[in-house]
Amino acid sequence: AQTVTQSQPEMSVQEAETVTLSCTYDTSENNYYLFWYKQPPSRQMILVIRQEAYKQQNATENRFSVNFQKAAKSFSLKISDSQLGDTAMYFCAFGETSGSRLTFGEGTQLTVNP
Amino acid sequence: SQTIHQWPATLVQPVGSPLSLECTVEGTSNPNLYWYRQAAGRGLQLLFYSVGIGQISSEVPQNLSASRPQDRQFILSSKKLLLSDSGFYLCAWSHRDRHAGELFFGEGSRLTVL
Repeated sequence: AQTVTQSQPEMSVQEAETVTLSCTYDTSENNYYLFWYKQPPSRQMILVIRQEAYKQQNATENRFSVNFQKAAKSFSLKISDSQLGDTAMYFCAFGETSGSRLTFGEGTQLTVNP
Repeated sequence: SQTIHQWPATLVQPVGSPLSLECTVEGTSNPNLYWYRQAAGRGLQLLFYSVGIGQISSEVPQNLSASRPQDRQFILSSKKLLLSDSGFYLCAWSHRDRHAGELFFGEGSRLTVL
């Protein structure tokens, strides 16, 4: 079974600075998908960014980018130019290409301070 | 465009009472449907998922059950609630033909069992 570990329960960053959230996972699969989801105080989960394991290029979505290290089974999220609206719980998730379920990490609560 | 709705948003129930949470998806056909539980604002635990009408897979043995009476309707139920059933319940859907694809979440239902 796959596991996803987020070792940072809480993090904080000053507005306009850069922060990196860590995620590691364990799998025997060669092809899979990785995701970062955001859950703001309103509680509705939304997708931030997605990475396909067979792609070596790191995914980027505006201020959000990932550092995908397949051999190390690491998938960190970098948020540049942090904004107050980035305050949320961030979840790393793993998805098998052969299945339809996602496995989530425990989450990292990010607070952006003014 | 696709939308997902779940209700009620908030529910306070006594121990031993029944439960029914409902989720509907609009704008798509044959979605995969999921029920997750989030305890104490932390990680998401997959409870049930469904790949078709009447097809339910249970991930965690417990006193909850799920049903899918229609293609885009997913119901979470219990005959007798326990204190440990308190939590935040999230319904989600994904495209059937995209393995390990993005999950789209509902707004969530906060259940408090007293």
